[in-house]
Amino acid sequence: DGGITQSPKYLFRKEGQNVTLSCEQNLNHDAMYWYRQDPGQGLRLIYYSQIVNDFQKGDIAEGYSVSREKKESFPLTVTSAQKNPTAFYLCATSFKINQPQHFGDGTRLSIL
Amino acid sequence: DAKTTQPPSMDCAEGRAANLPCNHSTISGNEYVYWYRQIHSQGPQYIIHGLKNNETNEMASLIITEDRKSSTLILPHATLRDTAVYYCIGYTGGFKTIFGAGTRLFVKA
Repeated sequence: DGGITQSPKYLFRKEGQNVTLSCEQNLNHDAMYWYRQDPGQGLRLIYYSQIVNDFQKGDIAEGYSVSREKKESFPLTVTSAQKNPTAFYLCATSFKINQPQHFGDGTRLSIL
Repeated sequence: DAKTTQPPSMDCAEGRAANLPCNHSTISGNEYVYWYRQIHSQGPQYIIHGLKNNETNEMASLIITEDRKSSTLILPHATLRDTAVYYCIGYTGGFKTIFGAGTRLFVKA
């Protein structure tokens, strides 16, 4: 979706490093989400945020952290505690928490 | 949130209707049925959603059975660009949304 920008498109991480994935939106949506997708699999929810300064763990939050200091931004940090971080990461937004979600084009993270 | 079951893959001839089924026998009364699709290496795209009544928009139609245990997404005139993975999900909110493996639709010329 044009209103959601994920960067970078490709990211490489060395063992033991933390990396931060960016997600910015100009849709004025309250809710934002982070998903992880492994090859041939569906999406799994990492974290979600219903409103600024609030966020909740999804099903696979271990090894990840987020912040929501601004409505437009919901960065995801993949920490060194995440032992298998290689995946396709997708950010999504929705007007409210129970509304249709709109997705960015994703960031593909690989381990060097 | 409802567990959904979809066939792993389907074929459709270009120009014909594509009918994608989804079973959601554990759906509760306040859970919406949502459909998304994902074209290779892109983020999923919202298609349509419904609660009880059939729905239609510019992309597709959604037929929900009276007992709400299953639904069918209909692409009335499939094109090659409709080749994608289609996900059916039932949920009441974003915090437990899980996309399964979906149905891989191949539209053939």
